[in-house]
Amino acid sequence: NAGVTQTPKFQVLKTGQSMTLQCAQDMNHNSMYWYRQDPGMGLRLIYYSASEGTTDKGEVPNGYNVSRLNKREFSLRLESAAPSQTSVYFCASSEGPRGPNYGYTFGSGYTFGSGTRLTVV
Amino acid sequence: GNSVTQMEGPVTLSEEAFLTINCTYTATGYPSLFWYVQYPGEGLQLLLKATKADDKGSNKGFEATYRKETTSFHLEKGSVQVSDSAVYFCALSFLNRDDKIIFGKGTRLHILP
Repeated sequence: NAGVTQTPKFQVLKTGQSMTLQCAQDMNHNSMYWYRQDPGMGLRLIYYSASEGTTDKGEVPNGYNVSRLNKREFSLRLESAAPSQTSVYFCASSEGPRGPNYGYTFGSGYTFGSGTRLTVV
Repeated sequence: GNSVTQMEGPVTLSEEAFLTINCTYTATGYPSLFWYVQYPGEGLQLLLKATKADDKGSNKGFEATYRKETTSFHLEKGSVQVSDSAVYFCALSFLNRDDKIIFGKGTRLHILP
């Protein structure tokens, strides 16, 4: 009963280095999300994938890329890390959109991973 | 646009005190409303939810009622414990459009023994 698994849990990078944050879910969810959490800023959406094969920008996509590798996995890549990307990163998943013709249906909300604490020096 | 506003923290209370964390929202239409909790060093967990007006969500002694007339979803607990110390996030989404959730900025709660 793993839910959402993120790796690594901690990482220190030098400015300009690249890395990929991994995320996998075992709940057969359609949608997956990457957030960053900074003090006083709450959660900000970086990218999301409404369903396998699609990705879209969120509120703060600059400096990041994503790949929806399959239904289970959604990775976040920093091509050239900057100190401004020092943050805690959370992956989340959900059942996904139902569309305007589905009627008024209720979701169970998001399931979050435990986070990756990234420091860029 | 759609947004969530919640009271700024930190909120500091003594054990067994009554808790209210205010949350109001702005939305076109009738969203579903959520409270999430984040314990130190962990990810967010869904605490409770309500999907239509006058619904009351409840879990672990916490309650929140969906008030359409005041566009509010205040979180309450009658008697807090030290273990309730965490950050609480109010959130909304429209589940038959897409599944993106809009979060408030969070309220940090400290409970003193």
